[in-house]
Amino acid sequence: AIQLTQSPSSLSASVGDRVTITCRASQGISSALAWYQQKPGKAPKLLIYDASSLESGVPSRFSGSGSGTDFTLTISSLQPEDFATYYCQQFNSYPWLTFGGGTKVEIK
Amino acid sequence: EVQLVESGGGLVKPGGSLRLSCAASGFTFSSYSMNWVRQAPGKGLEWVSSISSSSSYIYYADSVKGRFTISRDNAKNSLYLQMNSLRAEDTAVYYCARDYDILTGYYGYWGQGTLVTVSS
Repeated sequence: AIQLTQSPSSLSASVGDRVTITCRASQGISSALAWYQQKPGKAPKLLIYDASSLESGVPSRFSGSGSGTDFTLTISSLQPEDFATYYCQQFNSYPWLTFGGGTKVEIK
Repeated sequence: EVQLVESGGGLVKPGGSLRLSCAASGFTFSSYSMNWVRQAPGKGLEWVSSISSSSSYIYYADSVKGRFTISRDNAKNSLYLQMNSLRAEDTAVYYCARDYDILTGYYGYWGQGTLVTVSS
């Protein structure tokens, strides 16, 4: 099974900071990667798919990049509503999907 | 508007059974694969099971294979998860999720989740 390793597992940042989260796959997955945002008590929300495509309605401060085994999610200027947990998910081995362990973004 | 509403969660003893339901609306249910994803308290997301639009293809995570059964009723726009031989480690919020588009592999729509607690 393809494993996804996210780093860091948590981070503290201030409003306005640039934040980068990485996701590494245990084998190449081309661009078959999605990113989700989850707030406490809520379902995950799709942000990015196909590694770099922005879901409709998602602010342009979110961006994704990478292919193969290494991927990043970047928030260019962190906003108060962005404090949440972020997950990557691979779908190269569809339908056997796997998620990363999550990165919790907290207020500094 | 796409809506997915789960129900059926609750407290069950180890070894017991529970059936989850997901009522779908706002889209042509019979055209989409459907999925269950779970999240243990304070933990990450885990894919559980998927079923194709016509129920021809069904897949399970190894952790639930042989104990859980996914099914759907396209006439009722409903998805189900029959969970048998429940274990403490099955305690989680269970989400119903729909592929973003047909056979895309990432989930654009999620329900609010239903909590399953396995405890004596």
